Amino acid sequence: QVHLVQSGAEVKKPGASVKVSCRASGYTFTSYGFSWVRQAPGQGLEWVGWISGYNGNTDYAQKFQGRVTMTTDTSTSTAYMELRSLRYDDTAVYYCVRDCSTKTCLHGYYWGQGTLVTVSS
Amino acid sequence: EIVLTQSPGTLSLSPGERVTLSCRASQSGSSSYLVWYQQKPGQAPRLLIHGASSRATGVPDRFSGSGSGTDFTLSISRLEPEDFAVYYCQQYGSSPPTFGGGTKVEIK
Repeated sequence: QVHLVQSGAEVKKPGASVKVSCRASGYTFTSYGFSWVRQAPGQGLEWVGWISGYNGNTDYAQKFQGRVTMTTDTSTSTAYMELRSLRYDDTAVYYCVRDCSTKTCLHGYYWGQGTLVTVSS
Repeated sequence: EIVLTQSPGTLSLSPGERVTLSCRASQSGSSSYLVWYQQKPGQAPRLLIHGASSRATGVPDRFSGSGSGTDFTLSISRLEPEDFAVYYCQQYGSSPPTFGGGTKVEIK
């Protein structure tokens, strides 16, 4: 069965960077992509961006352009999301979601368990 | 980007009642790309409906989705205790994918 297992909670200072991982199992990694979705405390869901597990192509939400980098490591079936220049309002749970391989077609059946990123001085 | 507006923000209901949730899109897109999620505290969202009206695998048949164009609805025929949660609609027919603000269904 499909599993997406994310790295543990992080506490970062404003201006720092965070890198969250999402290890996939139970399917052919290169046949799908990943979206990253975040949720601030008590708030709704927000799409951060997408990466192809096939060729590493990316598509970032305009809001995060220049601050986010998504990568994959096919040898370990792991996707990564790095967010730089962290601000207090980046505090959120970040989820990886299995997505399509050629472009985002987000209709998430498989989600990671979420990673809480807290930005605090 | 397509803005999805959900209403109402909160519903207070009793088990056994029928509930209808609304999701309105700022522009028309294919209903094939409208989905609904259920989210409980501390959990990741769970896909309920895809293609506006198709239940995801394992979803009870008391959940149903309908709609087209800009107006979509999620219905629950008889609320079970485990259905009290927040429900989100989301579209992916136009990039970027966007989510509605959610409707909280709480116990009255």
